[in-house]
Amino acid sequence: EADIYQTPRYLVIGTGKKITLECSQTMGHDKMYWYQQDPGMELHLIHYSYGVNSTEKGDLSSESTVSRIRTEHFPLTLESARPSHTSQYLCASSEVWDTQYFGPGTRLTVL
Amino acid sequence: EDKVVQSPLSLVVHEGDTVTLNCSYEVTNFRSLLWYKQEKKAPTFLFMLTSSGIEKKSGRLSSILDKKELSSILNITATQTGDSAIYLCAGRGGSEKLVFGKGTKLTVNP
Repeated sequence: EADIYQTPRYLVIGTGKKITLECSQTMGHDKMYWYQQDPGMELHLIHYSYGVNSTEKGDLSSESTVSRIRTEHFPLTLESARPSHTSQYLCASSEVWDTQYFGPGTRLTVL
Repeated sequence: EDKVVQSPLSLVVHEGDTVTLNCSYEVTNFRSLLWYKQEKKAPTFLFMLTSSGIEKKSGRLSSILDKKELSSILNITATQTGDSAIYLCAGRGGSEKLVFGKGTKLTVNP
């Protein structure tokens, strides 16, 4: 069983606020990922990391930023939230690219 | 551009039925195809299929990769209400990133 955690699970926030979505894993995985998923739509990769001090942008353009200062921690930050950022954000980690273990997700609503 | 298409998008069956979910992929330098089950929360890993491992089985679930047709199926026999979920298919190619389909929403009624 994979141990990957996300907080908060639900967040409702007003436009213009700065938010940070937390993601932590206890498996020692080097690779970590952030996906965005809208209802009925595909998961889209927005950020990933090969390891500490490594961050890359994914296939879907996102106004968010990420950091990887510790192996177990991969937070995602939105400097100024907008209604278009309303979505579910899923964090994942893996040893290799294929078998990714997902966290429970954060459902973000920006009013 | 890499693409994964799943069908049907939605399926409603009765307990005990057998279902087949489909996934077709266009992935450059194909390396693997993965199936995930997504209930209310996180997707959970089911199977990974590669050129060297084209058939996997676990209990009532099984999956086959057809390299010629660039497709895969996920079979669930003797379905139970607990099988109700969204089933995601993802392909991995040379870019190493996973490309996901939209998923098939399966509802199993008692």
